[in-house]
Amino acid sequence: QVQLVQSGGEVKKPGASVKVSCKASGYTFHFYGITWVRQAPGQGLEWMGWTSAYSGNTKYAQKFQGRMTMITDKSASIAYMELRTLTADDTAVYYCARRHFYGEGDNHFDPWGQGTLVTVSA
Amino acid sequence: QSVLTQPPSASGTPGQKVTISCSGATSNIGRNTVNWYQHLPGTAPKVLIYSKNQRASGVPDRFSGSKSGTSASLAISGLQSEDEGDYYCAVWDDSLNAWVFGGGTKLTVL
Repeated sequence: QVQLVQSGGEVKKPGASVKVSCKASGYTFHFYGITWVRQAPGQGLEWMGWTSAYSGNTKYAQKFQGRMTMITDKSASIAYMELRTLTADDTAVYYCARRHFYGEGDNHFDPWGQGTLVTVSA
Repeated sequence: QSVLTQPPSASGTPGQKVTISCSGATSNIGRNTVNWYQHLPGTAPKVLIYSKNQRASGVPDRFSGSKSGTSASLAISGLQSEDEGDYYCAVWDDSLNAWVFGGGTKLTVL
């Protein structure tokens, strides 16, 4: 079955970087994109960006532009998200999800990984 | 403050019908297709409705989506206790050039 399995939780100090992995299985990896979404404690879902697993093209939410990098490894069917210069506000559960694209303005995300808790604390 | 406005909470008794609204703008709901996601405690979010009000695979027909102008709605009929959780609308915003989620609605089954 289609599955996305993410790396385990991380504890980081302010100013550090974190890299979360997302291993895909059960489908042809480069036929779909990967999106990243996070949820801070007690908050809603926040879109961070997406990447094409085929071309490597990326689209970042303005808030994360310059501080976040998304890459994909087609040979291993793994997507990575790196977030740099962490602050306490980056404490959140980070999710990857497969992006379905039907046309401009017509996308959805399914399935989602299990989530990775990143805690930023001094 | 999200560009998509959802009520923070909704509730109903088992068997009832509940509707969750999502209010946006021309640049998002007015032009693009709306998704609805269910986020149950301790699980990953799951898509319920996508594209032109299509139900995702395995989603019971108790769940349905609709859109009119710059607003969208998720209706859940025959409410069950396992429906208790958070529900989010989501859509691409042409002006922000970004994907946006509503603030979420916490559904309680009384």
